[in-house]
Amino acid sequence: DAGITQSPRHKVTETGTPVTLRCHQTENHRYMYWYRQDPGHGLRLIHYSYGVKDTDKGEVSDGYSVSRSKTEDFLLTLESATSSQTSVYFCAISGTGENEQFFGPGTRLTVL
Amino acid sequence: AQSVTQLDSQVPVFEEAPVELRCNYSSSVSVYLFWYVQYPNQGLQLLLKYLSGSTLVKGINGFEAEFNKSQTSFHLRKPSVHISDTAEYFCAVSEASGNTPLVFGKGTRLSVIA
Repeated sequence: DAGITQSPRHKVTETGTPVTLRCHQTENHRYMYWYRQDPGHGLRLIHYSYGVKDTDKGEVSDGYSVSRSKTEDFLLTLESATSSQTSVYFCAISGTGENEQFFGPGTRLTVL
Repeated sequence: AQSVTQLDSQVPVFEEAPVELRCNYSSSVSVYLFWYVQYPNQGLQLLLKYLSGSTLVKGINGFEAEFNKSQTSFHLRKPSVHISDTAEYFCAVSEASGNTPLVFGKGTRLSVIA
């Protein structure tokens, strides 16, 4: 299995609070992605990174920000969580020149 | 931009019967195609991928898929399913240009009945 961990694995928070999810990889892969999974929607891209400090928006980026200060970590921040951001969040990684993405175990976030 | 349509949201099938999960895509450029499987409460695992070459692709766990460019399809098949194949299956597409993000279909839940 690819070395990807996500933390926390589960989180319950209240509307309006800031939340940061962490994705950590030990594969030294250049590309990292954040997706959210919702019933009936499959997985949708939030943000992705193509290198340290290089990021771009995905399909559903509103309300989310990301940071990547080192190769192994990709942080997803909800500045002020809303109930619509209740979801399962998956991080994925891929190596340069590859298209196969390896997924982490996911973080289940509940915003009350 | 690409899009993916998985034509069936749920597919029930009896154990040892064959199954086909359908996937159609839309793109104005060449694409790579993928099938991922998600077992309950787990992350996604790659089943198989089409990048180029033979249009019949074999993957893990006895699954295979056929790329049909004229019909823009990439249907997943297995000749004989097992209870352990019960899971959600996602078709995904990306531009054929390296490391572009995946666009996923909404998923098909396969339920294998004993």
